[in-house]
Parts: sequence; structure tokens; C-alpha cells
Amino acid sequence: AQSVAQPEDQVNVAEGNPLTVKCTYSVSGNPYLFWYVQYPNRGLQFLLKYITGDNLVKGSYGFEAEFNKSQTSFHLKKPSALVSDSALYFCAVRSSGSARQLTFGSGTQLTVLP
Amino acid sequence: ETGVTQSPTHLIKTRGQQVTLRCSSQSGHNTVSWYQQALGQGPQFIFQYYREEENGRGNFPPRFSGLQFPNYSSELNVNALELDDSALYLCASSLELDPTDTQYFGPGTRLTVL
Repeated sequence: AQSVAQPEDQVNVAEGNPLTVKCTYSVSGNPYLFWYVQYPNRGLQFLLKYITGDNLVKGSYGFEAEFNKSQTSFHLKKPSALVSDSALYFCAVRSSGSARQLTFGSGTQLTVLP
Repeated sequence: ETGVTQSPTHLIKTRGQQVTLRCSSQSGHNTVSWYQQALGQGPQFIFQYYREEENGRGNFPPRFSGLQFPNYSSELNVNALELDDSALYLCASSLELDPTDTQYFGPGTRLTVL
């Protein structure tokens, strides 16, 4: 079985400050890890993914994520937050060896305060 | 490049009725996955279709069924609707040759069951 935990329902950060949205996962075998963002009344937009190799992954809109195998974590980061980054963020995982089923976390609402 | 489209945008049904939701995959993508996103939760995998056949299924009852057509578009059918079926239904497309199965989502169909 595979699972994702996003321990924070809500993250608030001031504009211009760095942001971190946390994610931990559990999966059999090697993980494929993803971050998606959802704006109100919209579908999910792909931000970035980890497959293998470099533990720091860069994605869209200045976001990056750090894979840590020993801590089974894949935290989303951005050096300088924008008000427009305010949205719902989802972490997802699937095993490289299993059926092509994504398992999502419960989401973290990010609010960037002006 | 055309993104994933879904129809209708919103739908209201009564308990016991049947509903069909439609999805057109992103240009060039041959695999379609369906997810249910209840209010305040992360998306949950319903099933995936590839080559017009079901290619993996989540923990959903048989009254949730699907189709994929030769042009890779897809339908999700739900019979005997229950109040708990009220949710945002998301369709995602991907490329079977992509081993990471990176999925790109449509805007969703909001289903309300009264």
C-alpha cells in the first residue's frame, strides 16, 4: 500500500519570505513523487516530479522540492513567496514498480500575506 | 497543444439516478485516469484506461464504470447515485510510454447529488 501525509492543513507566509510545504510518503519500492497545485474551482496543475537522481528537483513558477530518502520526505519549497502562490497544494506518490495509480495527500492550503 | 477538457462543468442529480461524465485527453496522450475529490480532501483514484481497457482500479464499487474510445477520450458512468457521490470528478491524461505516468488534469466536473 502507498500513502502520503501532509501534516499541515494550512501554511501562512509573508510575501517575499521563503515557503515550505511538507510531505512524507510511504511506498513499496522506489517512489515517483509529484506536487500539484489547485486554484479555486479548478483542476490540478502539475508543478514538478522526482524520479531518480538529484535530490533537488526544480519545477514550474520557481518552485522546487527536496527528496530525502532516509526521512521519506518530499517537501515543496520556494525562496520568495508571491501572493499569487496562494492555493491548495497536493503531494502525490506512486511506486515505480506497481500499477499506475497516484495516491494523494489531503492537501495544504498555502496563504501568502501581502 | 490542447489540454484535458471535461464536460459538463456542473451537474445536479437526484439519488438513484445515473450520470455520465466525459473527458477528452491532452493531445498525444493515450491513457486516461479518473479521480474523485470530495470536499476538503485529496483526489482518490477511481480507475485508469489504456487501449480501451481498464488498467487498474481503486477502491470504488462496480456502479462506477468507464469507457475509453479509439480517439482516447473517456467516459465515467455512475449508476444508482448516492449522496456521498457528490464531489469534483477529475480526469487526467498521460502517455503510456512515460514510465513515470505524469498525469495532467482537466478542470473537473462538479457533481451534486440531492
